[in-house]
Amino acid sequence: EDQVTQSPEALRLQEGESSSLNCSYTVSGLRGLFWYRQDPGKGPEFLFTLYSAGEEKEKERLKATLTKKESFLHITAPKPEDSATYLCAVQARNPGYSTLTFGKGTMLLVSP
Amino acid sequence: DTGVSQNPRHKITKRGQNVTFRCDPISEHNRLYWYRQTLGQGPEFLTYFQNEAQLEKSRLLSDRFSAERPKGSFSTLEIQRTEQGDSAMYLCASSLGELPNYGYTFGSGTRLTVV
Repeated sequence: EDQVTQSPEALRLQEGESSSLNCSYTVSGLRGLFWYRQDPGKGPEFLFTLYSAGEEKEKERLKATLTKKESFLHITAPKPEDSATYLCAVQARNPGYSTLTFGKGTMLLVSP
Repeated sequence: DTGVSQNPRHKITKRGQNVTFRCDPISEHNRLYWYRQTLGQGPEFLTYFQNEAQLEKSRLLSDRFSAERPKGSFSTLEIQRTEQGDSAMYLCASSLGELPNYGYTFGSGTRLTVV
């Protein structure tokens, strides 16, 4: 069964204090790994898709990387507006190729 | 187009009552997904439509749950004889094409509270 484990569960940072969130996964065959951001009371908002080990993608202060067993979301010099829950999800090759398996998320709080 | 729209935003119902939620996807998106999210958990897949055809259903989707997408446009999710364990955020998402090349756009969800 596909599994996604995210750590830490919660992270508190000072503004400008860089850090990384971890997503460990076990899937039968990875078609894609996704990162989403979710604000309270809202649906998840798409950030990145990573397809294969060694791939990296960047967007503003966020950088996502992928290995064969885990993905990292690096946050450089975060701002209070980066506070949110960050969700990692995987799409396996078979079965359920149209669906995502999500982790529980990391709740990030950035203080001014 | 303003994105994926879900109604109502909040629903409080008594145990045993039936409820129905509606999702209007982005107009050109032919794929539509329902997920359920409880507090402190990630979203869990419920069901998936391509146009009007329901192609996948999770084992989480008990007989009390039914989903439709008539004419391949909006979708409804009905829960019959609600139980307290059904309390959750019900999320709808749509996509233009197949994962992983086409990502999901999620709506803001319908929060269900069963009392």
